[in-house]
Amino acid sequence: KAGVTQTPRYLIKTRGQQVTLSCSPISGHRSVSWYQQTPGQGLQFLFEYFSETQRNKGNFPGRFSGRQFSNSRSEMNVSTLELGDSALYLCASSLVGRSNTEAFFGQGTRLTVV
Amino acid sequence: AQTVTQSQPEMSVQEAETVTLSCTYDTSENNYYLFWYKQPPSRQMILVIRQEAYKQQNATENRFSVNFQKAAKSFSLKISDSQLGDTAMYFCAFMKQAGANSKLTFGKGITLSVRP
Repeated sequence: KAGVTQTPRYLIKTRGQQVTLSCSPISGHRSVSWYQQTPGQGLQFLFEYFSETQRNKGNFPGRFSGRQFSNSRSEMNVSTLELGDSALYLCASSLVGRSNTEAFFGQGTRLTVV
Repeated sequence: AQTVTQSQPEMSVQEAETVTLSCTYDTSENNYYLFWYKQPPSRQMILVIRQEAYKQQNATENRFSVNFQKAAKSFSLKISDSQLGDTAMYFCAFMKQAGANSKLTFGKGITLSVRP
């Protein structure tokens, strides 16, 4: 079974631009979560999608948005990029159910804003 | 809100020896889940071990075991017979409940180096 796939792996953007990152979850997983990882702030939760609906949202400005498609693939978008948005963005997928707690992570997208 | 604290930024251990990584957390919830994740240089986060708060028995997975002290809100990871491949960042994480809310709250992480 293929793992969580994130594309692209690396990205360099200029301040003020926007960027879209993609995440394909493990087949059968309907929940997709996004995290931002930086050396200063560590891992912070951005949002979670389930069945094309945002179910949970972290404390990030409105410039950060996402969506999920009917095949459970998810995208996150960051508009008006700032230098501080440089980070590793991790996507995780999971089954949904009371006993399903394991989140499977992708290798991340390394975003550099210059 | 939940918080997870890992106070040791770095640790080093000799190959084949045992090392313990510390984690404390704060929550008002009674039922929750705790995790240790490993992030090697490849950046892919891998689940090491999971503990359900309602279970008194400490979880074990091969060379990895936890010491879960619910009253003290402490959740440490013991790695026995350390191997070079254990070199990675280790994150302690909290999940409020399964199913409806799969948000993970992470600690800052600890860099573990295994010396040959």
